[in-house]
Amino acid sequence: AQTIHQWPVAEIKAVGSPLSLGCTIKGKSSPNLYWYWQATGGTLQQLFYSITVGQVESVVQLNLSASRPKDDQFILSTEKLLLSHSGFYLCAWSLPRLEVFFGKGTRLTVV
Amino acid sequence: GDSVTQTEGQVALSEEDFLTIHCNYSASGYPTLFWYVQYPGEGPQLLFRASRDKEKGSSRGFEATYDKGTTSFHLRKASVQESDSAVYYCALSDRRNSGGSNYKLTFGKGTLLTVTP
Repeated sequence: AQTIHQWPVAEIKAVGSPLSLGCTIKGKSSPNLYWYWQATGGTLQQLFYSITVGQVESVVQLNLSASRPKDDQFILSTEKLLLSHSGFYLCAWSLPRLEVFFGKGTRLTVV
Repeated sequence: GDSVTQTEGQVALSEEDFLTIHCNYSASGYPTLFWYVQYPGEGPQLLFRASRDKEKGSSRGFEATYDKGTTSFHLRKASVQESDSAVYYCALSDRRNSGGSNYKLTFGKGTLLTVTP
C-alpha cells in the first residue's frame, strides 16, 4: 500500500526565518509529486509539481521553492518567511492521469 | 483559466436531511470532475470522479452527475449523518492542461457541512 508522510505536522516560525517542509511517498515508483497550499478558510492552490527526480516546475510564485532530491521525496522551502506564507501545506502524489492523493498536511503559522 | 464555483460556503443540516451542494465549472477543454472531502487536520480525500457527460459518480451514499450542458456537478446525499460533517470540495482537471505531466486540480472554495444529531 502507498503511504505519504509529511513533516513536520505543525510549525510556528518568525517572519524572516527559513523554512523547510518535506514529504515522502512509499510504495509507488516514480510518482508525480505536488505541493498545494491552503490559506486559512480558503481553497487549495497548486504551487509546484514534479514528474521526475531533480525536475520541479513552479505553478504559482509565492517566494517559495521546491526540490525533489530523491524519487520518493519532495521538499518545500524558503530562506525568508512572510506573514502571507501562513496556512496549510499539502503534499500529494499521483500516477500520470490518475487520481491525486494527499498527505495529512503541515500547519504553518508565521508570526 | 479554469474555475470552479461552489455556491454554498456553509451548510447546516440535521441527521437524515437531504443534502445538495452546488458546483459549477468553467473550463476550456473537457475536464474530469471530482468531489473531495476534508476532515479537520487532514488532507482532502477523493470521494469520486466523473469523466464524461451524464456519467454519475458515487461513494458512501454521495452522488453527482456530470452535466456538460449546464456545466454542473452537484453533490447530493439523501440522508446525511453526523459523521458526514466535513469540508467538501468540487474540483476539476482539464485534460488539455494535464498533458501527461502536471495533473493539476483546480478546486472550488469548499463547503463546510455541519450535521447535528
